Amino acid sequence: GQNIDQPTEMTATEGAIVQINCTYQTSGFNGLFWYQQHAGEAPTFLSYNVLDGLEEKGRFSSFLSRSKGYSYLLLKELQMKDSASYLCAVRRGSYIPTFGRGTSLIVHP
Amino acid sequence: EAGVVQSPRYKIIEKKQPVAFWCNPISGHNTLYWYLQNLGQGPELLIRYENEEAVDDSQLPKDRFSAERLKGVDSTLKIQPAELGDSAVYLCASSTGGELFFGEGSRLTVL
Repeated sequence: GQNIDQPTEMTATEGAIVQINCTYQTSGFNGLFWYQQHAGEAPTFLSYNVLDGLEEKGRFSSFLSRSKGYSYLLLKELQMKDSASYLCAVRRGSYIPTFGRGTSLIVHP
Repeated sequence: EAGVVQSPRYKIIEKKQPVAFWCNPISGHNTLYWYLQNLGQGPELLIRYENEEAVDDSQLPKDRFSAERLKGVDSTLKIQPAELGDSAVYLCASSTGGELFFGEGSRLTVL
């Protein structure tokens, strides 16, 4: 089975930087996804890490350490529209991503 | 290019009634997933299809839930009979093996 853990809720200020952590325990690890989900909408893909290290994509970066079973999503220059749930999903084996419960990020002025 | 299309967006039924959800994946995506999402939770896999074959349905409550993807394109998820605890958002997603593309979901309320 898999165990994915992320904080339930985080708050941050507009313009700041926030780091959302995800820890996991799984066998047959084959990649980690981050998705963003606004209330009442579909999850949308942010990033995918399969090798250790940092992947940067605009204001968003994602880091993976396979040996530690750890990933984080880094959001820079926060905007109000970044208020959403951020889902960490671990892929084991071929195509099956298992999702964590998500971190609700609240960005305030 | 059209995304994953689901219908209906919202459905309200009384318990013990049947309900069906439809999903049209992105053209060319052989892998199709049905997920269930409760409020404040992450999506939980119900079933995964590779073309028309269900290859992972261990989490599907088969006493009341059924799914099909007859021609390897559209898929239907059915619940019969629905129970109060089935109230949730049912998400469909498709992929070619990498990232998943989700539909907007079908929100079910069972009264």
